[in-house]
Amino acid sequence: QVQLVESGGGVVQPGGSLRLSCAASGFNFSNFGMHWVRQAPGKGLEWMAFIRFDGSNKYCADSVKGRFTISRDNSNNTLHLQMESLRREDTATYYCAKEGVQLNWGQGTLVTVSS
Amino acid sequence: DIQMTQSPSTLSASVGDRVTITCRASQSISKWLAWYQQKPGKAPKVLIYKASTLESGVPSRFSGTGSGTEFTLTISRLQPDDFATYYCQQYNSYSPWTFGQGTKVEI
Repeated sequence: QVQLVESGGGVVQPGGSLRLSCAASGFNFSNFGMHWVRQAPGKGLEWMAFIRFDGSNKYCADSVKGRFTISRDNSNNTLHLQMESLRREDTATYYCAKEGVQLNWGQGTLVTVSS
Repeated sequence: DIQMTQSPSTLSASVGDRVTITCRASQSISKWLAWYQQKPGKAPKVLIYKASTLESGVPSRFSGTGSGTEFTLTISRLQPDDFATYYCQQYNSYSPWTFGQGTKVEI
């Protein structure tokens, strides 16, 4: 069964960096595009980034363009989100999700940007 | 980007009620729509995908209809465990994912 496990969240100061990871199992990771979605405390869901199955194309939301980078390691079934120049408004739970007809999400990792 | 407009934002209901939530897309998304249930502190849980397909393990009181730009989620007889926030999401291949604003179902 599909399993997605995020890690790497924590508390970081404004202007700092963080790298999130998402370990995938239960499906052929290299065949599927992957997304990052975030949810600020008490707010709705916001799509962040997408990477094609082979890493050939990447897309980011305008709100994080130039600061966040999505990448993947198909040999290790892992998705990453490199976050730079973090702002207080980036505080959120970050979820990875698998594309496809049927959708699968991880349980999320909390990022808190605070001094 | 495709905009998703979900209504109502809050819904007051009682156990046993029939509840309907609607979602409208700014352009046609065929049947590429999912519905989620989310409880405080938990990840969103997929209820329905491809507009009307019930996710495995989801009770049959949940159902989804629609295609193109108009979609509905219906809970036929509300149960105590159903009080939560519900989101629609479009996942058309050629557009970033977008979500409705959410509907909080409360007593």
